[in-house]
Amino acid sequence: GQQVMQIPQYQHVQEGEDFTTYCNSSTTLSNIQWYKQRPGGHPVFLIQLVKSGEVKKQKRLTFQFGEAKKNSSLHITATQTTDVGTYFCAGQDSGGSNYKLTFGKGTLLTVNP
Amino acid sequence: NAGVTQTPKFRILKIGQSMTLQCTQDMNHNYMYWYRQDPGMGLKLIYYSVGAGITDKGEVPNGYNVSRSTTEDFPLRLELAAPSQTSVYFCASSYVSGGPGEQFFGPGTRLTVL
Repeated sequence: GQQVMQIPQYQHVQEGEDFTTYCNSSTTLSNIQWYKQRPGGHPVFLIQLVKSGEVKKQKRLTFQFGEAKKNSSLHITATQTTDVGTYFCAGQDSGGSNYKLTFGKGTLLTVNP
Repeated sequence: NAGVTQTPKFRILKIGQSMTLQCTQDMNHNYMYWYRQDPGMGLKLIYYSVGAGITDKGEVPNGYNVSRSTTEDFPLRLELAAPSQTSVYFCASSYVSGGPGEQFFGPGTRLTVL
């Protein structure tokens, strides 16, 4: 079945440093979503990417979808303590049904003030 | 709108006991999902529903059952609790039309089976 892998599993940064997490799928994706989960909280939707090579920005967050639609990345510029949490990617297999997203294991980001 | 609500927030069960985790959404979403999240792991899909009266298995359905009699409610039933079912359970909903759509998650139920 489809597998979605994320690296790194953990990342600790000093406040103000940049952060990047990478997501790779074993199959071609029709779209990919990113979620953030604060410690003790629930996942919250950040963004969805659909087009090959797509780049979207949300303030200090930049999301990319690879040309082959098998990988994606999330980059945070100048991290803040409010960025702490686990970032998950979730991909829909291009050969799959509408409902199914496969989640990666996530990258836990901690920020030292 | 309350969004997606789940009850209870916490529960401790003994091995072999049964319980129902409640989930309600007030956004008129057609799709609803149950996930479990184990420490350091992502979200694993247990069951999902595409509308009232229609449910199907996800990746890890063994030991669970669901029903969906209304658009709003999607309860998850554990019949014979086992320690392996200790986890955090999240219910989610989305409006699906030509793609999976943004999923809205409830606050979760933390279940411990001893």
